[in-house]
Amino acid sequence: AQSVTQLDSHVSVSEGTPVLLRCNYSSSYSPSLFWYVQHPNKGLQLLLKYTSAATLVKGINGFEAEFKKSETSFHLTKPSAHMSDAAEYFCVVSEGAGSYQLTFGKGTKLSVIP
Amino acid sequence: GAVVSQHPSWVICKSGTSVKIECRSLDFQATTMFWYRQFPKQSLMLMATSNEGSKATYEQGVEKDKFLINHASLTLSTLTVTSAHPEDSSFYICSAIRTSGSYNEQFFGPGTRLTVL
Repeated sequence: AQSVTQLDSHVSVSEGTPVLLRCNYSSSYSPSLFWYVQHPNKGLQLLLKYTSAATLVKGINGFEAEFKKSETSFHLTKPSAHMSDAAEYFCVVSEGAGSYQLTFGKGTKLSVIP
Repeated sequence: GAVVSQHPSWVICKSGTSVKIECRSLDFQATTMFWYRQFPKQSLMLMATSNEGSKATYEQGVEKDKFLINHASLTLSTLTVTSAHPEDSSFYICSAIRTSGSYNEQFFGPGTRLTVL
C-alpha cells in the first residue's frame, strides 16, 4: 500500500523568499513521486517527477525536489517565490515505474505575500 | 506533452436531471482513463478506472448506478451523473494513461465544474 503525507496544509511566504513544501511518502515498492500544481478552478499541471533516476529532480518554473529514501521524503523547493506561484500543490506517489495508480496527498496551499 | 480535454468545462443543472461529461485524449490513444472527484479545498479522490471496451472499476463507496462510465473508444470516456442532486456538485477531473513501452504516464484534463441546483 502507498500513502502520502503533506505536512503543511498552508504555507505563506513573502515574494522573493524561498519556498519549501514538505512531503513524506510510504510505499511497499520503489515509488515514483510527483508534484502537481493546481491554480483555482483549473486542472492539474505536472511540476516534476522522480522515477528512480537522479535523486534531485528539476521541474518547471524553477521548482525542484529531492528524493531522500532514508527519510522517505520528497520535499519541493524553489529559491525565490513569485506571485504567480500562489496555488495548491499536491504530492503524489505511485508504486513502481510510471504513473498508473496514483495516491494524492491532501494538498498544500501556497500563499505569496507581496 | 500529451493533451487531455474535458467537455463541458462547467455545467449547471437542476436536481433530478442527468449530466454527461466527456474526456478525450487528443493526440494519443488511451486504453485506460481515470475519473476523479475533488470537493472544495480538498484533494482528488479516485472514483473509477475506465477501461476501453470493458466495464469500469469503481472505488469503494462510489455508486456505479449513479456515476455511469462508458469508454467506447480509445480516445473517449464519458461520465454520466444520473439523477443529480446538490451533493453531487463538485469538480470532476479525468486523466488518461499514455503507454510508451512498459512506462505509463498519466495526463490530466482541465476539469469540469458541476453545480446542481
